[in-house]
Amino acid sequence: GAVVSQHPSRVICKSGTSVKIECRSLDFQATTMFWYRQFPKKSLMLMATSNEGSKATYEQGVEKDKFLINHASLTLSTLTVTSAHPEDSSFYICSARNRDLWNTEAFFGQGTRLTVV
Amino acid sequence: GQQLNQSPQSMFIQEGEDVSMNCTSSSIFNTWLWYKQDPGEGPVLLIALYKAGELTSNGRLTAQFGITRKDSFLNISASIPSDVGIYFCAGFNAGGTSYGKLTFGQGTILTVHP
Repeated sequence: GAVVSQHPSRVICKSGTSVKIECRSLDFQATTMFWYRQFPKKSLMLMATSNEGSKATYEQGVEKDKFLINHASLTLSTLTVTSAHPEDSSFYICSARNRDLWNTEAFFGQGTRLTVV
Repeated sequence: GQQLNQSPQSMFIQEGEDVSMNCTSSSIFNTWLWYKQDPGEGPVLLIALYKAGELTSNGRLTAQFGITRKDSFLNISASIPSDVGIYFCAGFNAGGTSYGKLTFGQGTILTVHP
């Protein structure tokens, strides 16, 4: 099956520090990965589309300098929350689509619970 | 951004009852997906629909892709306690400049009482 692994699952950090979240496709190659943010009992909000070897495409209202995305290989994308503030506390989820099955469904990571104190 | 209209927003049912939820869109999608999300976890794919009119089953789950390509429903038969969670519909169109971005419904929170 298509497995997407996200790490860490939970992280607590102090205000002003940066946090990196990794998203890996374990058994397939993904030219495109997506990063979402989710508030409690709400739907997933797309933050950005991560493209291997090129700059990420951010959704309107998402700060590029705040949420740095790097997609350096076909199996890894990272999201770095820079200078974190308590309002950045949220559940962050990534998804990836199989490069060879581009017209099929995306698979999600387990999510990362970020708490900024 | 655009969202699909998913209803109901929440359901409280007794174990053994059947459940039905649906999604509608103002625009066409060529693929519809249904996901379930448990607390603190990422969404897990339940059913994928690729053809208008398609009816697909996965165990106690049945989903249909509407003929107009603007709607889909998900039915759960004989619900059990582990069906508890949030169910999301999602639509996408492969190719083009959208990179196959998913458009999500607001979610249906399902509670099953034993």
